[in-house]
Amino acid sequence: DAKTTQPPSMDCAEGRAANLPCNHSTISGNEYVYWYRQIHSQGPQYIIHGLKNNETNEMASLIITEDRKSSTLILPHATLRDTAVYYCISMGPTSGTYKYIFGTGTRLKVLA
Amino acid sequence: NAGVTQTPKFRILKIGQSMTLQCTQDMNHNYMYWYRQDPGMGLKLIYYSVGAGITDKGEVPNGYNVSRSTTEDFPLRLELAAPSQTSVYFCASSSDSYTEAFFGQGTRLTVV
Repeated sequence: DAKTTQPPSMDCAEGRAANLPCNHSTISGNEYVYWYRQIHSQGPQYIIHGLKNNETNEMASLIITEDRKSSTLILPHATLRDTAVYYCISMGPTSGTYKYIFGTGTRLKVLA
Repeated sequence: NAGVTQTPKFRILKIGQSMTLQCTQDMNHNYMYWYRQDPGMGLKLIYYSVGAGITDKGEVPNGYNVSRSTTEDFPLRLELAAPSQTSVYFCASSSDSYTEAFFGQGTRLTVV
């Protein structure tokens, strides 16, 4: 089972920041937090990942709380093309290997 | 680079038929994954591989088989198709643990 919890849906006005929360209260010390998104029925697309420090790239910022039990993905200026399902995944070594386990994600709708 | 290529894009199977979903990647990635996605749901991991000759079960392996004879290819075999296997199938690859996964565009399979 997925080890993360996300709200099922969110709306955001175009041009505003979209803040997508994720709970991962059982995350272990060597597990990373990854974010992917899926637009329509396309294959998921990687956005960003982090361990305990905040991370930023050209797509988004990732804020991880100090206790690492939750995180927030920030899309600074949401556009209509950011409408998608966003998945938060915690992943680390399990029996020596890594595997992405997806939950049901957050369906973000960006409104004009 | 072509990335991760899946064939076919669409297929209709009759109950009891068998088929192989093809997946190939040209990024020399060690890790490869097969997922299925039912309508309105998140992705479920079927099988994964950490290198040529090494495969392991994911969350929902029943009714499927895989092989990994080369780094590039990771075919998924359905032996006796059932209506419950109607789904969209995604193949993905990553170079190693802690790195982003690249997904193919999916194979939409209908079993009637």
